[in-house]
Amino acid sequence: KAGVTQTPRYLIKTRGQQVTLSCSPISGHRSVSWYQQTPGQGLQFLFEYFSETQRNKGNFPGRFSGRQFSNSRSEMNVSTLELGDSALYLCASSLGGVYEKLFFGSGTQLSVL
Amino acid sequence: TQLLEQSPQFLSIQEGENLTVYCNSSSVFSSLQWYRQEPGEGPVLLVTVVTGGEVKKLKRLTFQFGDARKDSSLHITAAQPGDTGLYLCAGAASNTGKLIFGQGTTLQVKP
Repeated sequence: KAGVTQTPRYLIKTRGQQVTLSCSPISGHRSVSWYQQTPGQGLQFLFEYFSETQRNKGNFPGRFSGRQFSNSRSEMNVSTLELGDSALYLCASSLGGVYEKLFFGSGTQLSVL
Repeated sequence: TQLLEQSPQFLSIQEGENLTVYCNSSSVFSSLQWYRQEPGEGPVLLVTVVTGGEVKKLKRLTFQFGDARKDSSLHITAAQPGDTGLYLCAGAASNTGKLIFGQGTTLQVKP
């Protein structure tokens, strides 16, 4: 069974640009959640999607958005990038939600210059 | 706001030593998960504890959930270099649908 796949692995952008990250969950998993990981703040919950609907959202500005497609694949978008957005972005999939066993991808390392 | 505080933040020990990592909060969690993350990879779930006072063992790792479900600990016996990594606790915040992560404990086990 294939694991959670995140693309791209690395990304370098400049301030003001926007970026789209992709996450393909494990087959059969309907929940995809996104997290931002930085050395200073640790792992912080961004949002969760289940069956194409955003079910929960963390405390991040509106520049951070996401969506989920009918095949459960999910994308995360960050607009008007700021230096502080540099982080490892992780997605995780599970059968039913964030309280169940989460399977994480390897993440996308975003650097904003 | 529900917070999870992990301690210590960093731990460097020799192979064969024992260690304990703590995860504390003033809030009650319906369950608590422990993950290990290696460089360049996403976290991998080690265990989930659900019942207050619950103790789970995974080979040399022992996990305990506090009676009041506000704290948890991870004890490693006879640590090995392969235990090196970032250990994260994560609490299921009751009725919010969110998972709250601790800051993590970076463990280095020297051969």
